[in-house]
Amino acid sequence: EVQLVESGGGLVQPGRSLRLSCAASGFTFDDYAIHWVRQAPGKGLEWVSGISWNSGTIGYADSVKGRFTISRDNAKNSLYLQMTSLRAEDTALYYCAKDINYDSSGSFDYWGQGTLVTVSS
Amino acid sequence: SSELTQDPAVSVALGQTVRITCQGDSLRSYYASWYQQKPGQAPVLVIYGKNNRPSGIPDRFSGSTSGNTASLTITGAQAQDEADYYCNSRDSSGNHYVFGTGTKVTVL
Repeated sequence: EVQLVESGGGLVQPGRSLRLSCAASGFTFDDYAIHWVRQAPGKGLEWVSGISWNSGTIGYADSVKGRFTISRDNAKNSLYLQMTSLRAEDTALYYCAKDINYDSSGSFDYWGQGTLVTVSS
Repeated sequence: SSELTQDPAVSVALGQTVRITCQGDSLRSYYASWYQQKPGQAPVLVIYGKNNRPSGIPDRFSGSTSGNTASLTITGAQAQDEADYYCNSRDSSGNHYVFGTGTKVTVL
């Protein structure tokens, strides 16, 4: 059974940093691209960042570029999102989502349950 | 703002057919994927590529594209199909991904 379990969310002050993690199991992790997608309370979905199977292709939404860094550790079956200079508008439920392809197709066939990030003073 | 536009809400009578649309210039070059999201739950992929359904998705869900518009059709809508539906695809630059604004489907 494919499982994606996010962790690391919480309440953080504006301008501070936070690191999210996603632990994967039930599939060959290094065969697939993985993404972060977020959803602000009561709002729609927003793609945040994605990384290919070998970290060779990385992309970021304009809203987070320069502030967020995605990475993966295939030996640990884990995905990370380092978030810096956090803003109130980064408040959202952050999902880890598995791509159907190794090099990122933008179709996400498995999702975690999300970890909530709240940016507030 | 999203580069993929969806109608905010549609309703359908139980057992009837409903089409949900997604408009955007990037859809002339790239296929859309479609996701179903029920309250308090993570999204579920229902259609990807030209018209592919992941394992476990009923065949009443189908997808199509014409010009700059992608469509998700539910043929014979069931009560359990009531949910928010989002499309996604690459953006106009082709380098990033973008989600549609979402459509709330109500089954009457």
